[in-house]
Amino acid sequence: GQQLNQSPQSMFIQEGEDVSMNCTSSSIFNTWLWYKQEPGEGPVLLIALYKAGELTSNGRLTAQFGITRKDSFLNISASIPSDVGIYFCAGLGDSNYQLIWGAGTKLIIKP
Amino acid sequence: KAGVTQTPRYLIKTRGQQVTLSCSPISGHRSVSWYQQTPGQGLQFLFEYFSETQRNKGNFPGRFSGRQFSNSRSEMNVSTLELGDSALYLCASSFNLWQPNTEAFFGQGTRLTVV
Repeated sequence: GQQLNQSPQSMFIQEGEDVSMNCTSSSIFNTWLWYKQEPGEGPVLLIALYKAGELTSNGRLTAQFGITRKDSFLNISASIPSDVGIYFCAGLGDSNYQLIWGAGTKLIIKP
Repeated sequence: KAGVTQTPRYLIKTRGQQVTLSCSPISGHRSVSWYQQTPGQGLQFLFEYFSETQRNKGNFPGRFSGRQFSNSRSEMNVSTLELGDSALYLCASSFNLWQPNTEAFFGQGTRLTVV
């Protein structure tokens, strides 16, 4: 079945640094969604992408839908302490109309 | 507009018991998906319902079941609980996952602890 490879698994960064994470697949997706999850809470939708090549921003967050429709990335600029959490990508493909999830990227900000 | 509501937030059950979790989707949303998340893990898909019909099912044993009512509210049931069922159970609501340009929104989850 369809799978998503999300990397990196975790990131240790200094406050103020830019962050980049991505998801790749061997399958084509029609929709890419990026979520952030904080401990004990449900994931919160950050950005939704619907067209190949689409670049969308939400404050300091920017995400792109890859031209090949097989990948997406999320960038966070000038990270701040409240950015800590786990970031998940999810893709919706052609086949079984089920959201396919990446394993998550855990963002930790070094004091 | 109210978000996705899951009840209860926390639950402690004993091995062998059964449990029912509830999810009220965003008004107008007809698709409800359920996920299991164990500590430090990603989201494991349980099943998805639309208009009272189960459309997709993940690889979980038959002890995990669900249903959806005519008002789109959904319940999931776990029978004969095992220690390994301890997890955060998340419900996601969307207008219709099978349509393009669809987004999914999550509830806060139900934290189930089996002792």
